[in-house]
Amino acid sequence: SQQGEEDPQALSIQEGENATMNCSYKTSINNLQWYRQNSGRGLVHLILIRSNEREKHSGRLRVTLDTSKKSSSLLITASRAADTASYFCATDSGTASKLTFGTGTRLQVTL
Amino acid sequence: GAGVSQSPSNKVTEKGKDVELRCDPISGHTALYWYRQSLGQGLEFLIYFQGNSAPDKSGLPSDRFSAERTGGSVSTLTIQRTQQEDSAVYLCASSLQAGDIGEAFFGQGTRLTVV
Repeated sequence: SQQGEEDPQALSIQEGENATMNCSYKTSINNLQWYRQNSGRGLVHLILIRSNEREKHSGRLRVTLDTSKKSSSLLITASRAADTASYFCATDSGTASKLTFGTGTRLQVTL
Repeated sequence: GAGVSQSPSNKVTEKGKDVELRCDPISGHTALYWYRQSLGQGLEFLIYFQGNSAPDKSGLPSDRFSAERTGGSVSTLTIQRTQQEDSAVYLCASSLQAGDIGEAFFGQGTRLTVV
């Protein structure tokens, strides 16, 4: 079973606009991570936020975490065509726990 | 190598045959994960190895699926008597440790097609 669900399932925006994706999860977590996947193959790690953090930035990425609502959001600012990919959130619940992925958001950035 | 390596990249097999998928994690990574991804879907957890601990097999869909990790390094996922619904991309990932899970590094996956 999957821990998280992302919404929207698909998002289409124009280059230069901001893209926001949301992730909701079910159980208490230790860390939450966001990954990107191009063309249905290997995933690439984007950013990790710990349960005691509320916001984190990395370049054009901004991640927020609200543990009371069991939700996280990923904001990509000034999107580019190269940002077109699927984005997944993943959670773990601490020591020796597995990494569980959400259902993903497919982002399409058009010129 | 520098990254997680999976082989083969693609595998076409006949229904009923057994297949073995291989994963070479990053050297020194103690945690190793197997996931399955059907077309356009999310990642379905299969099995997780952490050091010398007993693996978490809770995601294996049936007893036709098994995996082992030899010497804390290379892992093999075996699917016996393959069925068409086993067709998917099988992804392997490793991370440095699971006590405080950091970044997981993924291989490029094995695309399995059962005909």
